[in-house]
Amino acid sequence: SQTIHQWPATLVQPVGSPLSLECTVEGTSNPNLYWYRQAAGRGLQLLFYSVGIGQISSEVPQNLSASRPQDRQFILSSKKLLLSDSGFYLCAWRLAGGGRTQYFGPGTRLLVL
Amino acid sequence: GQQVMQIPQYQHVQEGEDFTTYCNSSTTLSNIQWYKQRPGGHPVFLIQLVKSGEVKKQKRLTFQFGEAKKNSSLHITATQTTDVGTYFCAGEMGNFNKFYFGSGTKLNVKP
Repeated sequence: SQTIHQWPATLVQPVGSPLSLECTVEGTSNPNLYWYRQAAGRGLQLLFYSVGIGQISSEVPQNLSASRPQDRQFILSSKKLLLSDSGFYLCAWRLAGGGRTQYFGPGTRLLVL
Repeated sequence: GQQVMQIPQYQHVQEGEDFTTYCNSSTTLSNIQWYKQRPGGHPVFLIQLVKSGEVKKQKRLTFQFGEAKKNSSLHITATQTTDVGTYFCAGEMGNFNKFYFGSGTKLNVKP
């Protein structure tokens, strides 16, 4: 069966510090991978998605970046965090080629102070 | 701008009452999905609708996709306290491998 992992679960970082959030998927090959951000009490905003290794599509301009160094690894990064980067970051995967369901990871709660 | 609008933002009901949340898109969707997120949790897939005018049921939940494939609704009959959470729709436009989520409807059920 497939599983998706995210870490860390929670993170408190000072403004201006770097960020690295990791997401890994097990039990499937060549998945579509997604990073979403959810502000408190709000909906999900698509940040990045990837259909293959090294292929990243960005949805919104921001100081975040994403990378996919391996087939089942998706990393969200920032060189300098802003207060507005606080939120709940969710990674999701979906079968390539028209699979239906997006499976979400447990998420990382980031608080930038 | 936001391409999938969802209303209402909040809904408080007495246990046993019905609940409906609505989603509208400014463009035609290839499909729409519905998710439920419990407090403190992550979104969990409920269902996907693909065909124009499609209606699907899961026990007390009824999902509809509009004829023009621009709107959708989720109706819960006789709510229970276990229905508490935030319900999101997510529309896929074309085959671009990405979804646009509605802002969600937070449902609170009073016992």
